[in-house]
Amino acid sequence: EAEVAQSPRYKITEKSQAVAFWCDPISGHATLYWYRQILGQGPELLVQFQDESVVDDSQLPKDRFSAERLKGVDSTLKIQPAELGDSAMYLCASSLGEATYNEQFFGPGTRLTVL
Amino acid sequence: GQNIDQPTEMTATEGAIVQINCTYQTSGFNGLFWYQQHAGEAPTFLSYNVLDGLEEKGRFSSFLSRSKGYSYLLLKELQMKDSASYLCAVTDSNYQLIWGAGTKLIIKP
Repeated sequence: EAEVAQSPRYKITEKSQAVAFWCDPISGHATLYWYRQILGQGPELLVQFQDESVVDDSQLPKDRFSAERLKGVDSTLKIQPAELGDSAMYLCASSLGEATYNEQFFGPGTRLTVL
Repeated sequence: GQNIDQPTEMTATEGAIVQINCTYQTSGFNGLFWYQQHAGEAPTFLSYNVLDGLEEKGRFSSFLSRSKGYSYLLLKELQMKDSASYLCAVTDSNYQLIWGAGTKLIIKP
């Protein structure tokens, strides 16, 4: 069964360091999402791609976060510099992109701890 | 603004039935999803409702009333493995998915 791949699964870093997360969506899925989820809360959308284009990055802290999906397939989310408040689960999801039914399939996530 | 409300936490007994409610206020409506999320894991799809009524899938059922902005997830014959968070999410008029904070369900023997 096709799955969304993410790496690393866990990342521990010190504040002010740079971190990067990678996501490979399900083959054929045009839409890719990066979410941040703090314990006890729902996922918060950081950025949404349609193919290689950014559709929504209104909640992305652009002073320190960046995301790219250069060839419209896999994607990288970067944080530089990391801050203590960035400790969270970072989830990647993908969907076919059909507007009428937008089921999102999630990867296993990356648990980030900033010390 | 857009808002989705769910109870923060619920407790139920193994073998029993539990209903998790979700109310929403969004700019438009194009469907409602329920996801299950075990601690430390990613959300997994449970159900999708776009028309009023009840959708049944094994031990899980989901109900939608668009006029009331209301949905519920019904879990029957509860098992210990059902202990998880249940997330309600609504697709708005721009086909963006708006997420609730989730309901943590605790199952006791």
